[in-house]
Amino acid sequence: DAGVIQSPRHEVTEMGQEVTLRCKPISGHNSLFWYRQTMMRGLELLIYFNNNVPIDDSGMPEDRFSAKMPNASFSTLKIQPSEPRDSAVYFCASSLRRAAGTSGGVPYNEQFFGPGTRLTVL
Amino acid sequence: ILNVEQSPQSLHVQEGDSTNFTCSFPSSNFYALHWYRWETAKSPEALFVMTLNGDEKKKGRISATLNTKEGYSYLYIKGSQPEDSATYLCAFKGTASKLTFGTGTRLQVTL
Repeated sequence: DAGVIQSPRHEVTEMGQEVTLRCKPISGHNSLFWYRQTMMRGLELLIYFNNNVPIDDSGMPEDRFSAKMPNASFSTLKIQPSEPRDSAVYFCASSLRRAAGTSGGVPYNEQFFGPGTRLTVL
Repeated sequence: ILNVEQSPQSLHVQEGDSTNFTCSFPSSNFYALHWYRWETAKSPEALFVMTLNGDEKKKGRISATLNTKEGYSYLYIKGSQPEDSATYLCAFKGTASKLTFGTGTRLQVTL
């Protein structure tokens, strides 16, 4: 398995431009997470999906941020318009969320992270 | 805002030393505690997911314990090697809260 795939790996853009980050989770995983990593705030969970449905988006900083998961193998995180303070590394992660009580099942399973997208907004 | 704290913030040990660090989290509404290893310029890699009070997990020279009643977990590394140099993150999941990461313990192992 190729693991979680993110694109682009690096993005440099000007303030005010729209930015779209993409993520392909590990095949068969049913939960997908978007994180932002900054020096000031560390690793923050922005939003996560279970079975393509957004469950908790309370970490999304403001209305300029939106995320979609149109199918089980693809998700996007969009920033429109982008601002310099959005500069960070954005990670996508996926996991297999097994039902409680299933064999070997931890209901909230380990997450596998993608390589991240380093975003710089000038 | 959940309080997930890790100590020490950074640690510098010599090859062969054994070391440990702490993750503190809320002692109520516990659901799961994750440990991740994060090497510079790479992405976080899962080490353990712990769910039961008293849990002990082991992977090679790395092990972890969990005390949900008092809200802490220890990560131990036996006989540290230079390749263990990384930031070790814990993340707490409550029954009604999202996964919240600590700020990490940065470990550097020198020869």
